[in-house]
Amino acid sequence: DQQVKQNSPSLSVQEGRISILNCDYTNSMFDYFLWYKKYPAEGPTFLISISSIKDKNEDGRFTVFLNKSAKHLSLHIVPSQPGDSAVYFCAASEGNDMRFGAGTRLTVKP
Amino acid sequence: NAGVTQTPKFRVLKTGQSMTLLCAQDMNHEYMYWYRQDPGMGLRLIHYSVGEGTTAKGEVPDGYNVSRLKKQNFLLGLESAAPSQTSVYFCASSSSLTWSEAFFGQGTRLTVV
Repeated sequence: DQQVKQNSPSLSVQEGRISILNCDYTNSMFDYFLWYKKYPAEGPTFLISISSIKDKNEDGRFTVFLNKSAKHLSLHIVPSQPGDSAVYFCAASEGNDMRFGAGTRLTVKP
Repeated sequence: NAGVTQTPKFRVLKTGQSMTLLCAQDMNHEYMYWYRQDPGMGLRLIHYSVGEGTTAKGEVPDGYNVSRLKKQNFLLGLESAAPSQTSVYFCASSSSLTWSEAFFGQGTRLTVV
């Protein structure tokens, strides 16, 4: 029972363009949403988060959008850089319970 | 500043053997977690701890035990390893104020043959 789903296993974009990573969830009780970034042979690192009371949070090139009615969130990276190439995990939490999606591998081509 | 350190980084076990994975953090975090990552499944929480001496079950606790005798350490034990426990294991820690913004270790790749 995957409560957090990332339906695109991979995404390839050109350097300088926008990357949009998507995530859907099923549990309406989730109240905090996060994105983690993972490079090979390293642990995930926290990237950006958003509370359920907001619909947008921006941090430099990274913006997370939350659509609660659709149970959908997305991560926008503008402009994309080759160093952004990594696996991105979406996560959602309720209390002490945090669930992760399966990840999307982003490749940014020079 | 080491952050979160996992020991060992790689291990091969035979079915039925036991082992302990060690996680150490130097950030004085109250919360610590053990996750496993499997292809197509994302990270799944095995056990977690909200403070020294406390532990709780996560999403997939069966076949594992944990202990948090010291605040900085969180041990994950496999009493009788099974091939289904072949996975990459990640430890993480966080403060109680921003508990979900966790810091992860580099991972332990465990193969059970």
